[in-house]
Amino acid sequence: AQSVTQPDIHITVSEGASLELRCNYSYGATPYLFWYVQSPGQGLQLLLKYFSGDTLVQGIKGFEAEFKRSQSSFNLRKPSVHWSDAAEYFCAVSGDYGGSQGNLIFGKGTKLSVKP
Amino acid sequence: NAGVTQTPKFQVLKTGQSMTLQCAQDMNHEYMSWYRQDPGMGLRLIHYSVGAGITDQGEVPNGYNVSRSTTEDFPLRLLSAAPSQTSVYFCASSFRPGANVLTFGAGSRLTVL
Repeated sequence: AQSVTQPDIHITVSEGASLELRCNYSYGATPYLFWYVQSPGQGLQLLLKYFSGDTLVQGIKGFEAEFKRSQSSFNLRKPSVHWSDAAEYFCAVSGDYGGSQGNLIFGKGTKLSVKP
Repeated sequence: NAGVTQTPKFQVLKTGQSMTLQCAQDMNHEYMSWYRQDPGMGLRLIHYSVGAGITDQGEVPNGYNVSRSTTEDFPLRLLSAAPSQTSVYFCASSFRPGANVLTFGAGSRLTVL
C-alpha cells in the first residue's frame, strides 16, 4: 500500500523568503501525486498534481513541485512567500485503479507560518 | 452545479448516540470516499465506494458503516458514537480512483461528549 511522509510538522518563514515543503512517498509503481492546501477552518484546495510527463509541475498561487523518482520525493516550492500563504499543506499519493491502490492517501501535513 | 454537499456542517452528540452524516454529489462520479481529519494526523480514509452497491474499508473503518444505494449518495453512519470519533469529516468524489482529482465537500465537524 502507498504511504506519504511529510518530515516537517511546522515551518516558519519570513514574508518574501523562499519556501520548500518536503514530501516523500512510498509506492511500488508509478504514483499519482498531489499537493493540497487548507486554510484554518476551511476545506481542501488542490494546489497541483503530477500524473505523468514533465516532472516539474506548476500550480496555482505561484507554487510548483518537482517529482524525483530516484528520491521518491515530490517537494513543493514557492520563490517568494506571501502572508496569505499561511496554512496547512498536505501531500498525497494514489496509485493505479485496482483494489485499494487507487485511494488517495495523505501525509500528516505541514503547517506554514509566515513572519511579517 | 453543487459539487459535493455534506450535511450537517456541525453536530454535537452524546456518547452512545447514533447519527448519519450525509454526502451527495451531482457530478455522476462513480468513486466516493469518507475521510476524517484530526490534528497532527492528516486525513485518514474511513470507507470508500467505487460504484453503487460496492463499498470497502479504508484505513480507519471501525465504528463506522456506509452504504451506496445510488450513484449520488454515500452516507456515513455512526451506530454508537464515542469521544474518539470527535473529528472533522470530509466526503470526496471523482469519476474513478487513481489518476483523478477528488472533489471535496466542505466538511462536517462532529463533537462527541
